Amino acid sequence: SQQGEEDPQALSIQEGENATMNCSYKTSINNLQWYRQNSGRGLVHLILIRSNEREKHSGRLRVTLDTSKKSSSLLITASRAADTASYFCATDDNTDKLIFGTGTRLQVFP
Amino acid sequence: KAGVTQTPRYLIKTRGQQVTLSCSPISGHRSVSWYQQTPGQGLQFLFEYFSETQRNKGNFPGRFSGRQFSNSRSEMNVSTLELGDSALYLCASRASLAQETQYFGPGTRLLVL
Repeated sequence: SQQGEEDPQALSIQEGENATMNCSYKTSINNLQWYRQNSGRGLVHLILIRSNEREKHSGRLRVTLDTSKKSSSLLITASRAADTASYFCATDDNTDKLIFGTGTRLQVFP
Repeated sequence: KAGVTQTPRYLIKTRGQQVTLSCSPISGHRSVSWYQQTPGQGLQFLFEYFSETQRNKGNFPGRFSGRQFSNSRSEMNVSTLELGDSALYLCASRASLAQETQYFGPGTRLLVL
């Protein structure tokens, strides 16, 4: 399967803590994107990092990319209960289709 | 702007039937992609349409087909439904092929009995 892998599969933390999720992928990429999905609904785009970038920030989100290891991480700082969702990485390998990872289910307890 | 809309939101069908799902992209968006999400296989790309032409197709059997209309609205059709087709079907749009970010609709949840 071309699908990327994410770990952990599930993560439970308290509000205010940081959450880190990791993504590994298999092919060369143009960019890597992170999406959030709330309870079986549509996906919301969070952040995009291009293959020539190593780190990117957006609000409480920090994404890193290591193309030599074919991996990325998403850090959510000072998490809130509203951050409870599934998080997916998706790679664009210049074939115009997104290859999604397996997802990390994040539960943030108040 | 209104977001991507999908109809119906929920659908129950029986094996052997066919189903048509509809997606209306964000106004001005010309590309529509479809994805299938299941607990076992995760999110998988079905196909992408741009200017009424299928540009890309995922690894799905011919029972899965789609089309795009001149107003960029898209439909996907699944014929001879199987139990394994039960899934959340997500549609995503983007303004052009140069835009990397895709905007997803809420999905259609299909249950095949």
